[in-house]
This record gives sequence, structure tokens and C-alpha cells, in this order.
Amino acid sequence: EAGVTQFPSHSVIEKGQTVTLRCDPISGHDNLYWYRRVMGKEIKFLLHFVKESKQDESGMPNNRFLAERTGGTYSTLKVQPAELEDSGVYFCASSQEWRGAYNEQFFGPGTRLTVL
Amino acid sequence: AQSVAQPEDQVNVAEGNPLTVKCTYSVSGNPYLFWYVQYPNRGLQFLLKYITGDNLVKGSYGFEAEFNKSQTSFHLKKPSALVSDSALYFCAVRVNTNAGKSTFGDGTTLTVKP
Repeated sequence: EAGVTQFPSHSVIEKGQTVTLRCDPISGHDNLYWYRRVMGKEIKFLLHFVKESKQDESGMPNNRFLAERTGGTYSTLKVQPAELEDSGVYFCASSQEWRGAYNEQFFGPGTRLTVL
Repeated sequence: AQSVAQPEDQVNVAEGNPLTVKCTYSVSGNPYLFWYVQYPNRGLQFLLKYITGDNLVKGSYGFEAEFNKSQTSFHLKKPSALVSDSALYFCAVRVNTNAGKSTFGDGTTLTVKP
């Protein structure tokens, strides 16, 4: 069974440009999460999809970030326009049908975003 | 609001010695606690979790963790460290009301020297 995959693994862009990150969850996983780790600090929650619906987007930092999950399969996270403080590692995770907060979340390898 | 503290950025131990990576948490309600490990260029890998029941939980690769409600701690331990245990470790907490959203600590880099 393939794990969670993320693309690209690294992205270097200039301030003001647009970047789109992609996450492919484990097949059949309804729950998809985006997290990010900035400047070696804690991994912070961004948002949670259940199928194609946004269950919780309380962690999205501002309106420069747009997440979508069309058809309830893969998800994209677009940053437009990117700012220096957006640099960090963006993780995606997925889990099966929600049966409580303790469903194991499977994480992807992350996308390292550098904004110059 | 929930939070997790990992007070040590770095832990160094000699191979064969016991290791402890510390974690304390703050939540409203019953916590669900997790440890993850990240090896270079890899995603987070689940190690173990505490949901309910026995305070001592055992996980992958010989790791274990003890839930201490009075001290709000969930320290990760291993009786005998291996060089291959060297990695970045994250503690995380969830509560049942937030549908799986995890709150993580800053991470602790464990280095095991031969």
C-alpha cells in the first residue's frame, strides 16, 4: 500500500510568486490534514478535510493560503503571493474514517518551501 | 487552548544507555498522546500512543512512554539506545472534541553516539 505522497519535495521561489503544493493521501482515507513546521519550531495544524469538505481551517494563517480537495482525493495548498515567513516544511497527513481523535494519522515526507 | 512542551532541543546519549525524551502537555479534557519520529528526508512515523488504560504504553522499535496525569507528562523512553535511534522526535496531543487535529511540540533531536 502506498503511503502519503507529497509533491514537490522542495520548492524555492521568490517573494511574491505563487506556489502550489500537492498531497496524495492513502487511498480510501477520508481525512486529510495539512500541517507546517516553520523555522524549526513546532509542527502547526493548518486545516482538516473530511472528503472534499473543510472540517476545520482554523490554522490557516491568512487569506494568501488556499486549500482544495476536489473530489475528495488529492489536495492542493496554494500560497499566493508567497512571503518570506511562509518558508518551512509543509506536511500532509491522512487517516481513515473518523472514529474519534485517536485515529492514526499517516504523514507524508513533507514539502520544503523556501521563499527568497 | 492545548499545548505541548518538549523542554530539550537536543538529547545526547551513548549507545547502550537508557534514553528519555521529555514531553509535557496542557489540554482541557482527556488527552490523547502520541510520539512520532522523523528520520532525515522522511515523513513523520508513528511510534506509540496513549488513549486510555495502562499508563505505560509500548510502541515500535523498543520505545515506550509513560502517561503521568498528575504531572501532565508523557516521556518517551528506551532501555538501551541504538545509534539508529538518532532522529527528530515529536510529541503530540489531541482531544476528542477537535476531530483529530494534533498539537505538536517543537521536537527533540536525539543523538546516540557509538
